[in-house]
Amino acid sequence: SAVISQKPSRDICQRGTSLTIQCQVDSQVTMMFWYRQQPGQSLTLIATANQGSEATYESGFVIDKFPISRPNLTFSTLTVSNMSPEDSSIYLCSAAGDGVSYEQYFGPGTRLTVT
Amino acid sequence: GQSLEQPSEVTAVEGAIVQINCTYQTSGFYGLSWYQQHDGGAPTFLSYNGLDGLEETGRFSSFLSRSDSYGYLLLQELQMKDSASYFCAVRDIGNTGFQKLVFGTGTRLLVSP
Repeated sequence: SAVISQKPSRDICQRGTSLTIQCQVDSQVTMMFWYRQQPGQSLTLIATANQGSEATYESGFVIDKFPISRPNLTFSTLTVSNMSPEDSSIYLCSAAGDGVSYEQYFGPGTRLTVT
Repeated sequence: GQSLEQPSEVTAVEGAIVQINCTYQTSGFYGLSWYQQHDGGAPTFLSYNGLDGLEETGRFSSFLSRSDSYGYLLLQELQMKDSASYFCAVRDIGNTGFQKLVFGTGTRLLVSP
């Protein structure tokens, strides 16, 4: 199993600014993922981040808006750039052990409000 | 496109049995998972079906029929703590060649005394 922590847990930001969310896993993992979830809604995958390679973004998400770093096997960051109120959401970090693992672990989320 | 449909809400009483259905239409399929999420909490893994049939884990069971693109989660002996949102998720292979999860619309389960 893996325990995931995220920082910050919540933030209120002004439109036009950027916020970087940090995700730390307590063990080495191959794959890390970033999701967005509106309260009461489903989870939408933003991108997959593997160590040593560029992040792969899902349709509707672009690197300029959501740059991701994955410097090692236990850490990743997601930046929400040039924020607008539409970016207000919960951002969840997730991790899986290897390419065949079917269980994913999730962090507690970062609740972002853009004013 | 990809879609995973679930009932939006299910209500039941303590001690009862409830079934949450999931029908999916996805470009790829490598298994169906179920996750539980309490309000304000992180999703947590409940079960996984890679092949057709029933998987049992304590009070929770999950079923899959790949020919029908259908699965369900069965919760028995319901407890108040089971009140949460439940998501089915299809395991697919993304452009990276590694797995990714596509989540269903989610079902909010309300358990009353």
